[in-house]
Amino acid sequence: EAQVTQNPRYLITVTGKKLTVTCSQNMNHEYMSWYRQDPGLGLRQIYYSMNVEVTDKGDVPEGYKVSRKEKRNFPLILESPSPNQTSLYFCASSLRDARNTNTEAFFGQGTRLTVV
Amino acid sequence: KNQVEQSPQSLIILEGKNCTLQCNYTVSPFSNLRWYKQDTGRGPVSLTIMTFSENTKSNGRYTATLDADTKQSSLHITASQLSDSASYICVVSARGTYKYIFGTGTRLKVLA
Repeated sequence: EAQVTQNPRYLITVTGKKLTVTCSQNMNHEYMSWYRQDPGLGLRQIYYSMNVEVTDKGDVPEGYKVSRKEKRNFPLILESPSPNQTSLYFCASSLRDARNTNTEAFFGQGTRLTVV
Repeated sequence: KNQVEQSPQSLIILEGKNCTLQCNYTVSPFSNLRWYKQDTGRGPVSLTIMTFSENTKSNGRYTATLDADTKQSSLHITASQLSDSASYICVVSARGTYKYIFGTGTRLKVLA
């Protein structure tokens, strides 16, 4: 089954404790991205990756890191989480980037992160 | 500034009724517009994708329209079902960029 898998689904952590949210896709997609979703703000892009070893900042990259060492995986790293990073996070993948009309983006099930 | 605005913020309708959700955008130059359905606590799922030259596109009971001149789109849901209760998100991308610009969504509740 074609899917984007995020782990964990739920996470409560303390301020300053490094954490990683994993994202994996089995569709051989080139383009992957991370979003956060907050009430009243919609989805905002954190980072995206056009292909292996190619990443770039989205609209809200501060406090986050990513890596793309393999095509299928795109982990999101919070080196020193803070309470303002409490949010619902989504990973997405697609065959091509947003410029390609026929590309459907597939989203993971989300990771609800709480930083206390 | 590239923006996507949706209305209404929330909507309650009775099962079997039709409804229309609106999306206005200021994204330029326009590339494509997508409608997503997001069930509570789950990831968005694509409903339709439209380019500049497309005026309408259907996916079952969902029909999206696009007026690129006025920069408006609508999503019409016919004969609503309880399972249509969700948030509906309008997403626009600009030509030459790698990014999607998301609206804040319309939360639809269908009552029996």
